[in-house]
Amino acid sequence: DTAVSQTPKYLVTQMGNDKSIKCEQNLGHDTMYWYKQDSKKFLKIMFSYNNKELIINETVPNRFSPKSPDKAHLNLHINSLELGDSAVYFCASRLLGGEETQYFGPGTRLLVL
Amino acid sequence: QKEVEQDPGPLSVPEGAIVSLNCTYSNSAFQYFMWYRQYSRKGPELLMYTYSSGNKEDGRFTAQVDKSSKYISLFIRDSQPSDSATYLCAMRGYGNKLVFGAGTILRVKS
Repeated sequence: DTAVSQTPKYLVTQMGNDKSIKCEQNLGHDTMYWYKQDSKKFLKIMFSYNNKELIINETVPNRFSPKSPDKAHLNLHINSLELGDSAVYFCASRLLGGEETQYFGPGTRLLVL
Repeated sequence: QKEVEQDPGPLSVPEGAIVSLNCTYSNSAFQYFMWYRQYSRKGPELLMYTYSSGNKEDGRFTAQVDKSSKYISLFIRDSQPSDSATYLCAMRGYGNKLVFGAGTILRVKS
């Protein structure tokens, strides 16, 4: 069973389009994250939700809007896609107060043309 | 200057070598120190975790934290081709935000 899953795995789209990435975890965790990994492998946090509440909101363009319908799901909607949005987006989850490990999903490779 | 500095490599070693990977950081509030391993086209996975200063050993892996120097290390003994991956250091203070280094690409040649 996949612990943290993301859909889609690959996303190729045109500049200006709007797209969504979905994440689901079946680990019973209460905290979920979105990270962006650029072409140089630098992994940077974007957002974090704890029990559906936004607790981390880094300096990210407001074209990016996360949404957590419940503790097990965290989605990322991106409006008006730009070339610089091309990256790998990772979802992760963790139980706050539990073990230190963040469990990462397989990533969504986004290419904006 | 980035909060966490890590040499991106690549670092290429022969099988069986001892590998040393390092990160330096500037934020003295960091208390939790981690090493993640990321294979190509996969998500990162936690390898080692240390709270505050000290050493921690797990099999062929040893993590060291020197908070006075703001310097952390990961040593891999008897390196194997299967250790070839990108190694990311990560750290946080008492908050929830994890700050990653840029990652070091390691290649172990058989």
